[in-house]
Amino acid sequence: GENVEQHPSTLSVQEGDSAVIKCTYSDSASNYFPWYKQELGKRPQLIIDIRSNVGEKKDQRIAVTLNKTAKHFSLHITETQPEDSAVYFCAATPFSGGYNKLIFGAGTRLAVHP
Amino acid sequence: GAGVSQSPSNKVTEKGKDVELRCDPISGHTALYWYRQSLGQGLEFLIYFQGNSAPDKSGLPSDRFSAERTGGSVSTLTIQRTQQEDSAVYLCASSGPKGGPTDTQYFGPGTRLTVL
Repeated sequence: GENVEQHPSTLSVQEGDSAVIKCTYSDSASNYFPWYKQELGKRPQLIIDIRSNVGEKKDQRIAVTLNKTAKHFSLHITETQPEDSAVYFCAATPFSGGYNKLIFGAGTRLAVHP
Repeated sequence: GAGVSQSPSNKVTEKGKDVELRCDPISGHTALYWYRQSLGQGLEFLIYFQGNSAPDKSGLPSDRFSAERTGGSVSTLTIQRTQQEDSAVYLCASSGPKGGPTDTQYFGPGTRLTVL
């Protein structure tokens, strides 16, 4: 089955610096890659996603890149702010009789220090 | 409109007891998912419902776990003979109107289950 690995598990940056989180997936048929942000004690929320026919997508300070050949995708946060501190999860959709579920990475705990 | 709701928010039970967790998805969403999140861990897929199709149960960890979705709306996750390793936050998510994981999944607040 699909396996999604996420690195690093923890990331500490200074306010204003950039943060990069990387994920790899095993199922070459996976075609959708969302990123979720989970603040402490709250529910996960989608922050950006990318489909397999696109190599890069940006939304203000957040961008995601996808390399289908290498089967990895990355989240880039620029000009980090303390409110970016949270756990970030990547996910992928494997093909198993249809694209019908998300397999999540283990998460990256990002701490942005003022 | 109202988001995904779950009840109870917290559940403490004794080992060996059965528990039922409830999820009310966003109205009109055809897809509903259950995930489990152990302390400090990622989200583990449990089960997926899409419309009237047979559910994808491939993530259920044992036959003690079951789920149903009545009338294409409310879902109940049942854990029989609970074990301490079942302790986790159980999250429900829904997506629509087409459903399927390429639609944004909206998560509920979760039910924190503690098995003593």
